[in-house]
Amino acid sequence: ETGVTQSPTHLIKTRGQQVTLRCSSQSGHNTVSWYQQALGQGPQFIFQYYREEENGRGNFPPRFSGLQFPNYSSELNVNALELDDSALYLCASSLSYHRGVEQYFGPGTRLTVT
Amino acid sequence: SQQGEEDPQALSIQEGENATMNCSYKTSINNLQWYRQNSGRGLVHLILIRSNEREKHSGRLRVTLDTSKKSSSLLITASRAADTASYFCATDASTSGSRLTFGEGTQLTVNP
Repeated sequence: ETGVTQSPTHLIKTRGQQVTLRCSSQSGHNTVSWYQQALGQGPQFIFQYYREEENGRGNFPPRFSGLQFPNYSSELNVNALELDDSALYLCASSLSYHRGVEQYFGPGTRLTVT
Repeated sequence: SQQGEEDPQALSIQEGENATMNCSYKTSINNLQWYRQNSGRGLVHLILIRSNEREKHSGRLRVTLDTSKKSSSLLITASRAADTASYFCATDASTSGSRLTFGEGTQLTVNP
């Protein structure tokens, strides 16, 4: 167990709806990164938050947005859900955003869009 | 798009045997990391090797890095049934911050 928690564990939504996923970082970690993992593929970087500011973004459309709170927990919001958004969403926390700092992953939220 | 490619996609061995997985990537990197994932759950960090390192050991794990060939290998010695999982390499090539680019993984099955 890494100390990173995510909620909910599973979620089923309908195309066009909006969803919010939550992540609690490990104690003392001020950086949270979000990844999307489609079935049978490796995770893809969505974005990273450091001290409540977005600190880098992958190749995802603006309908993917995020927040980080003063306690460093984070939310991932996805608007106008599409079928291809069905995936495992992973968050990872780390002590800082610097290169080479280990990222600790949560168990993920499995999102199914029908 | 994925930066890394793992080879093989799937590997099935008997307990006690060694397992070798390879990873190739396309751009210059700061470091390369290997992760394990059990049954579509969270990723577990195994080992990090920096671009100026050639080999690293951790318990039964041995990782090599050849930056001239843009490739890395993960060797698991004396495998156990509990090693059954998907293994991913991830490269960090960012100029600021840390963002990992994962390959598609190798599914390792260790038969008892």
